This record gives sequence, C-alpha cells and structure tokens, in this order.
Amino acid sequence: AQSVTQLDSQVPVFEEAPVELRCNYSSSVSVYLFWYVQYPNQGLQLLLKYLSGSTLVKGINGFEAEFNKSQTSFHLRKPSVHISDTAEYFCAVSESYNFNKFYFGSGTKLNVKP
Amino acid sequence: EAGVVQSPRYKIIEKKQPVAFWCNPISGHNTLYWYLQNLGQGPELLIRYENEEAVDDSQLPKDRFSAERLKGVDSTLKIQPAELGDSAVYLCASSFGGESKNIQYFGAGTRLSVL
Repeated sequence: AQSVTQLDSQVPVFEEAPVELRCNYSSSVSVYLFWYVQYPNQGLQLLLKYLSGSTLVKGINGFEAEFNKSQTSFHLRKPSVHISDTAEYFCAVSESYNFNKFYFGSGTKLNVKP
Repeated sequence: EAGVVQSPRYKIIEKKQPVAFWCNPISGHNTLYWYLQNLGQGPELLIRYENEEAVDDSQLPKDRFSAERLKGVDSTLKIQPAELGDSAVYLCASSFGGESKNIQYFGAGTRLSVL
C-alpha cells in the first residue's frame, strides 16, 4: 500500500506571492499522481494529473506540478496566488497495477492573505 | 453534463439510529466509490464498485455499514446503527474506468453529525 505525505498541514501566503505545496509518496513502483482542491463544503475537484510523459504537468487555475521519480515527489506550484486559491489541497497516488485505488494525503490548507 | 450528485448534503441523527446516503454518478461511469473523510484528513476508501459488483470493500466496517448498487448506476450507503465516531463527510466519486481514464470525479458529499 502507498503512503502519501503532505508535510505542511497549513501554508499561509500573501496574495501574488509564489507557493509550493509538497507531496511525497512511499513506493517506487509505477504510479499515477493527482492533485485535487477542496473548497469549503464542496467535494474534491481535479487540479491536474500525471499519468505518463512529461514530468511537468500543468493544470487549471495556473497550477503546475513536477513529478520527480528519484525523490518520489509531486510538488504543486503556482507562481502568483490569488485570494480565490484559498482552499484545501490533496495529493493522491495510485499504482499502475491497481489504478483505481487512490491513496490520499492528509491535505494542505492554503490560506492566501491580502 | 451533470456531475456526481449526492443527497442529503447534511444529516443530523442521534446515536444508534440508522442513516442512508444516496449517490448518482456521472452518466456512463461504471466505477463508483464511497469515501470517508474525517475532519482534517484526506478521503479514505470504503468501497468500490465496478458496475454492480463490489470489487474492493476491505475497508468497509461490515458490522454496521452496508452498500448497494443494484442496477450498476446509483448507489446507497447505509449505517445501522450509527455511532458517535461515524460523524464525518461521506464522499461519493465515479470514474469512467480504464487505465488511461482513471480520473475520479467527486460529489459534494454528505456531512453526517451523530449526537
């Protein structure tokens, strides 16, 4: 089974500043990687995914993430955040041999301040 | 296109009472998931259906939880009897299936409070 670690439970940042949300996973087997965003009282919305190909993936709302196989990481970045990015962000991993089984991290709350 | 629909959005019950949650997945999605999300944590899989077959229910507490997806479309998750520790958000998700399309789409969830 996978273990997904999101080291930062909360990240405060000022508007228009860059941000990085960290995600590490445990297994070195072939994986698929996802970032989801959850706004208050809503379900999870897919931000971006890595299935194969380029290790730098771009998603919605200006977010991007880079898959680093050697470091088993999939960090999420945005060069300039907006107030509307305030939400909780979840990293998820599935293994290619059991791709329907998702393992989620515990989430990172991004708080964008004016 | 409608997303994953869950009802009710909120439910407050007393302990030992039964409760049921309903989920209607995105049309054409043959895989349906029920997740439990405790406060401050990520979702944890309870059960996964491929059409009407439960293919992964290893994390479902079968003494009090049950689920069904009789016609391979909508699904119901039931708790009987509910305990205080069951207070959480219950999320339903669906996916088209197939390795290249294993993106899960989530409903808004049902927030359960057990008093």
